[in-house]
Order: sequence, then C-alpha cells, then structure tokens
Amino acid sequence: ETGVTQTPRHLVMGMTNKKSLKCEQHLGHNAMYWYKQSAKKPLELMFVYSLEERVENNSVPSRFSPECPNSSHLFLHLHTLQPEDSALYLCASSQDMGQGNSPLHFGNGTRLTVT
Amino acid sequence: QKEVEQDPGPLSVPEGAIVSLNCTYSNSAFQYFMWYRQYSRKGPELLMYTYSSGNKEDGRFTAQVDKSSKYISLFIRDSQPSDSATYLCAMSATGNTGKLIFGQGTTLQVKP
Repeated sequence: ETGVTQTPRHLVMGMTNKKSLKCEQHLGHNAMYWYKQSAKKPLELMFVYSLEERVENNSVPSRFSPECPNSSHLFLHLHTLQPEDSALYLCASSQDMGQGNSPLHFGNGTRLTVT
Repeated sequence: QKEVEQDPGPLSVPEGAIVSLNCTYSNSAFQYFMWYRQYSRKGPELLMYTYSSGNKEDGRFTAQVDKSSKYISLFIRDSQPSDSATYLCAMSATGNTGKLIFGQGTTLQVKP
C-alpha cells in the first residue's frame, strides 16, 4: 500500500452535484493537508488538520468543506462547485507541523472536472 | 510580487546534460528550503531539503541556497530521461509545514 491514498483518481461533476474526495494515510502521521493544484499556478494550501483539529483554513469558499474523523482519514466534501474549481486536489500528510524537516508526503491526487 | 518566483519552462535538455533549476524569493525570513519532484499523474515527492544557506549534495542532485541573493538552485548532473518531471521549490520561515510557500514548478524534459 502506498503511504497516502486518494480516491477517486478522477471525478467529473456538474455544478449542482455533491461529491466527496477521500484521503487515507498509512504512515502514522499527525497532520493532514488539502492542496489545490491548477495549471501554471503554485500549490495552494486549502486546509490543515493537526491531531484531527483544523488549524488552517486559507480563505477557502464554503462550497469546500473538510472533515477529519481520525488521524488517518481526511475528506473534502464538495457542493455547488464552479468550473474554475476544476483542478488536481492533492492530499498530504506529515509527521507533525512544527519541524522544518518533517516533509510532506503527497497522494497522487484527484483530478476534478466541473462541468 | 509573488513571494516565490519559478520559471515554469518547459526546459528541454539532452541526456547527460547538467540541469540548473532556480527559484527566487522575496521574504528574507525564509530559512527552510525544499525541492519536490512531481512525475506526470503523480503527487510531489520530497527530493532535497536544506536549512539556511549552503550546499547539500545527494547523488546526482545538489541543492544550493544563497540567502544574500534570495536565490535557490537545484543542479542535476548527468541528467537521465527518468529525471523528466516537474520540479517544485518550496520554502518557509518557521519550519511550520503548514506555512510552506511553493513555486509554480519548472517542467523538465530530458531527451535520450
């Protein structure tokens, strides 16, 4: 099993749909992250959870709603999305947040297309 | 002005060439510098980590930090087709992983 697993790999949804992205980490890490990766743009941090508590919310629209039921699982619930939300959504984990040498381990992402 | 600037490329080189990838930054407080490699249809993976200034070498890869110029570099010696990927620089001031600032990535193609 890979360290960070994301499902589904691809998702196409209409603007009125509700869907969820799932992330699971098998590394025993304490922090989990959602990033958005758009073409020709830097990775954008969306949410951070540390020990299942949300510690960062970078002005993300409310149509994105994260959930972290335990330290191994992270969800991103999507509803009423816009076409500009089409992107690669990456989940990551790290041992903790405070150490500069605690690297991020990324999943392979969910490619989201909003039609 | 973006906090971190990285030329998106693409950069195309012949196999065996020395590759230089660079990022500039504006925040003089940055102390933690990383390079991530991202293959097509994969997530980024950490390639090199450097704290403060200086060089770090790992096999064919060398990371350099010049804090006086606010400039970091990744050198790849004897480049291989398997090095074809997008290279992302990332940095932070405090070491807090939730405060990493990424460059937009440089796409590298190494031609056999």
